[in-house]
Amino acid sequence: DADVTQTPRNRITKTGKRIMLECSQTKGHDRMYWYRQDPGLGLRLIYYSFDVKDINKGEISDGYSVSRQAQAKFSLSLESAIPNQTALYFCATSDQDREQETQYFGPGTRLLVL
Amino acid sequence: GESVGLHLPTLSVQEGDNSIINCAYSNSASDYFIWYKQESGKGPQFIIDIRSNMDKRQGQRVTVLLNKTVKHLSLQIAATQPGDSAVYFCAENIIGTYKYIFGTGTRLKVLA
Repeated sequence: DADVTQTPRNRITKTGKRIMLECSQTKGHDRMYWYRQDPGLGLRLIYYSFDVKDINKGEISDGYSVSRQAQAKFSLSLESAIPNQTALYFCATSDQDREQETQYFGPGTRLLVL
Repeated sequence: GESVGLHLPTLSVQEGDNSIINCAYSNSASDYFIWYKQESGKGPQFIIDIRSNMDKRQGQRVTVLLNKTVKHLSLQIAATQPGDSAVYFCAENIIGTYKYIFGTGTRLKVLA
């Protein structure tokens, strides 16, 4: 979905390196999310943010941190990457003004940690 | 290639046939459901949604059926086309909350 963009699309890094994944959206949504996707598993929530001043841990936040620089931007950092963080990472947004908070996803970042 | 879905159940259908993809959801309190389509190398794409006050909803070539008694959701795709080849997964939510539970998905292969 072009309304939600992620950079980079692919990244290879080494164990111990710090990396940042970025997400931008033009949907005007307040709520943003970071998920990871692994083979055989459903999407799992890492962090979520309801607005610029509100950031919350999801179910698998250990080893990750986030920054909400603006309503439209939400970054995910791996402070010291490890191989089991190899996964597909997706950013998503939702509109809290709607009763049903449909989540819309970006194209994903494929991360490989060696 | 796409690493997600290596161990997913696969449904193979002939082009032009109808496809039915099933999902068992986990939380009896869930009252909002979405079907997503995920093509190789892309993010999940919203297809259709349904609220628990309905048992059927139709879109363009797609129909979602909801059976709350057995916590079952299905996605029907009419006249399946090669472009329908993808992984499909369901998501459940309680309206008014942010939290979703996502299914692991089914890979749909359309045979020419």
